Amino acid sequence: DIQMTQSPSSLSASVGDRVTITCRASQGISNDLAWYQLKPEKAPKRLIYSASTLQSGVPSRFSGSRSGTEFILTISSLQPEDFATYFCLQHNSYPRTFGQGTKVEFK
Amino acid sequence: QVQLQESGPGLVKPSQTLSLTCTVPRGSFSSGRYYWSWVRLHAEKGLEWIGYLDYSGNTYYSPSLKGRLTISQDTSKNLLSLKLRSVSAADTAIYYCARHQKYLSFDYWGQGTLVTVS
Repeated sequence: DIQMTQSPSSLSASVGDRVTITCRASQGISNDLAWYQLKPEKAPKRLIYSASTLQSGVPSRFSGSRSGTEFILTISSLQPEDFATYFCLQHNSYPRTFGQGTKVEFK
Repeated sequence: QVQLQESGPGLVKPSQTLSLTCTVPRGSFSSGRYYWSWVRLHAEKGLEWIGYLDYSGNTYYSPSLKGRLTISQDTSKNLLSLKLRSVSAADTAIYYCARHQKYLSFDYWGQGTLVTVS
């Protein structure tokens, strides 16, 4: 199975801050990575797919990048509605595997 | 916007069978494009992919759950189903259904349903 190591597990930030979250794959997965936002009692929302493609309707402050097996989600200027949990998903092979999640909290 | 909705009992006794359904949009199973996965979120362990059913009715299960799991569809009712046998406290989680295509990521998810085994 491909292991996805996500960091940090949590972070405290303020509105307007730049936030970066990283997922590292245990082996090459090409660009087969997506980022999601999770809020309680809501459906997870895909933000980024194919490592760097912004999902339609998602604000442009969200961006994704890749360097080898390291993937980064960046929120350029954190907004109040962005306080949530974020996780990555690799869809290069089965079983699909996820990062452990990053909870973004208000500082 | 594609809406998926999970439903099922919130509480299951140990050793019994957990049964959930996911309502999908009409005609989804006959589209010839989509796969339907179940995913669960453990409070401590995070997200775990459970298995999928494809548009041909074929299934593929996580090796860790394979012996206890059945995923099926009821096309006439637009329902995706999950049955997990011999549950224990380790199966306590929020269960989600999600749509995807064969090689792609999950594009739509349900809002999840909490199942407690106790």
